[in-house]
Amino acid sequence: GAGVSQTPSNKVTEKGKYVELRCDPISGHTALYWYRQSLGQGPEFLIYFQGTGAADDSGLPNDRFFAVRPEGSVSTLKIQRTERGDSAVYLCASSERTSGTDTQYFGPGTRLTVL
Amino acid sequence: GENVEQHPSTLSVQEGDSAVIKCTYSDSASNYFPWYKQELGKRPQLIIDIRSNVGEKKDQRIAVTLNKTAKHFSLHITETQPEDSAVYFCAAVKGYNDMRFGAGTRLTVKP
Repeated sequence: GAGVSQTPSNKVTEKGKYVELRCDPISGHTALYWYRQSLGQGPEFLIYFQGTGAADDSGLPNDRFFAVRPEGSVSTLKIQRTERGDSAVYLCASSERTSGTDTQYFGPGTRLTVL
Repeated sequence: GENVEQHPSTLSVQEGDSAVIKCTYSDSASNYFPWYKQELGKRPQLIIDIRSNVGEKKDQRIAVTLNKTAKHFSLHITETQPEDSAVYFCAAVKGYNDMRFGAGTRLTVKP
C-alpha cells in the first residue's frame, strides 16, 4: 500500500513568513509523529499525535511551531514568523499503535529553506 | 531525558568486509531499539530492530546485539556491498513512542 507522503517536497520562504507542511500517514495508522532533521544530524522529535490529539508536544522548540490533525489522519505542521534557523528537513512518520514498540514509517520529508 | 550516542560518525570499509556501528543510551527505561538506513535525500528506512527482552537478532547480512546492563547496542553488517553505503541511525525508544536518535554514521563501502 501507499507509504507516508509529505508535501511539498521543498519549500523556500523568506524570514518572517508563515509556512504549512502537510503529512499524509499510512492509512489506518493512529499514531503520527513530526521530526526535524538538520544537516548531519539524526531526526529530532517535535510532536506526536494519537488520533486527533497531540499526546506529546514537548519537542516543539517554541510557540511559533504548531501542528494539527483535525480528523485523525492528515496532519499539518505550521510555522509562524519563520527564522533562518528553522531551515531543516521536516520528517513525518506514522505507526499503527502507541505501544512504544511499533515501527515508525517515515515520509520523504519536506526540505524547508528560510532565506 | 534520553541521550543516545553513536560511533563512529564515519566508517569506510572495503567491499566484502564487515562494518560495526555502536550506540549507547542513558535511560534504562528504553525498551526498543530500531536501526534506520538513510540514503542521500531519501527517507529513513527501518532495517532491523531489537526489543529489550532479546540479546541478539539477525536478518541475513545484518545483525543487532543489545546489552541492557551496559546500555549499549550494536549493528553488524557482514559481506558489505556498495549499496550498503548510506547514513545509519540508531534509536532508543521508551514509553509511548519517545524515540531519540543517534547522530548517525556515514558508511562508505568501497568497491
